[in-house]
Parts: sequence; structure tokens; C-alpha cells
Amino acid sequence: DTEVTQTPKHLVMGMTNKKSLKCEQHMGHRAMYWYKQKAKKPPELMFVYSYEKLSINESVPSRFSPECPNSSLLNLHLHALQPEDSALYLCASSQVVPPSNQPQHFGDGTRLSIL
Amino acid sequence: SQQGEEDPQALSIQEGENATMNCSYKTSINNLQWYRQNSGRGLVHLILIRSNEREKHSGRLRVTLDTSKKSSSLLITASRAADTASYFCATGAARGSSNTGKLIFGQGTTLQVKP
Repeated sequence: DTEVTQTPKHLVMGMTNKKSLKCEQHMGHRAMYWYKQKAKKPPELMFVYSYEKLSINESVPSRFSPECPNSSLLNLHLHALQPEDSALYLCASSQVVPPSNQPQHFGDGTRLSIL
Repeated sequence: SQQGEEDPQALSIQEGENATMNCSYKTSINNLQWYRQNSGRGLVHLILIRSNEREKHSGRLRVTLDTSKKSSSLLITASRAADTASYFCATGAARGSSNTGKLIFGQGTTLQVKP
């Protein structure tokens, strides 16, 4: 079992739908991350939150909207997605933001399919 | 690309044999990490080596780091069928780098261990 919990595990949505991905950790970590991973590719960083504030946005399209309501929760709001957005979305956390020497702990991801 | 390179892309060995994966990177780093990803799951942190370390061991894992060549290797000894997974190296950028705050993942090596 992973210490980072992501829900839902699978999500199928149309291009006009609005949905949210959720991530939760109770390790007291103050840095949280969203990654996008396509099949047979490495994870690509999307957003970094440090102490509940957005610190890095990797030029992600505005149809993806992150939110960090508190230090344990991270959401990713989705709206008007495109078929190419179909991917595995991974959440991760670490004690603090790099360049500290800390590993990241990943959830098992949400498999997102856009029809 | 900011991402490092890993080789081989794919590796198939018999149970009991050793597996070696290599990683090269481009920028100054604070640390280098190795992660494992089983099919359909999130990434699991295996080992972290700091930029001032040259070798590190954890169980059947041995990691080396050569900062002068900007390269690292992961050796898995006495492999088991359960080691079948994708393995990614990830570099934590040095402070002051344009990539500070991020982990930069290599392309990954797919390891198959046959029983």
C-alpha cells in the first residue's frame, strides 16, 4: 500500500465534462506534486506546491487547475480536456521541496481517458 | 531535452543474474535518485545518492555516481522475477539551477526477469 492515496483510480470523461482528481497524504510532507505520465514514458512534472502555495507551474494549459486546500490534500480540477490529455496522473509528496535531499513518495495514480 | 538518458531501454535476464542500468544527465545536481515502477502502479523510491557520494548500497541494490562524467549506474544483484519493472533515474537539480525544485527523470529502463 502506498502512503499517498489518489482517487479515483480510473476516470473516463468527455471533452466537455468537469471533474477533479484528488490526492491525500498524512506523512506531514509540505511539498506536493502533480505529474503526467504517458505510456512507456517518464513522468512529466506539471505543478509543485510548497507549504500550500503553488511554486512551480510547468506551463500547463489552463484546462488543468490545481488546488491545495491544506497541507494534506491536493486536487487537480479538469475542464474541457482534449484526447491527448489521456494519461496516468501521478501525485507525489516530499518533506520539503528540492534541492533538499529528500525522496518523493508517489501515489498509484489516476488513469484518465478522454473520449 | 532536459531529461537524462538511460540505457539500455530494455533488458531481459534470467532469475539469479545481475542487472545493470545506466543513467546520464546534463546539469549540475544535488542528488540522483532511482525509482521503480511496476506496471499500472506509481513510482517507488529505491535509493538516493548525494552529489558528494560515489557509491551507495541498499540490500541487493548498488548505485554508483560519477559527477565528472555526469553518469550513474544501478546494479541489481541476484535478480528475482519480482524485480520485473521499469526503472527510472531522477536528478535533483543543484540550488540556483533553472531546474531547482524539480526532479528530472530519465527515459527509463524496462527490466524483465524470467523465472
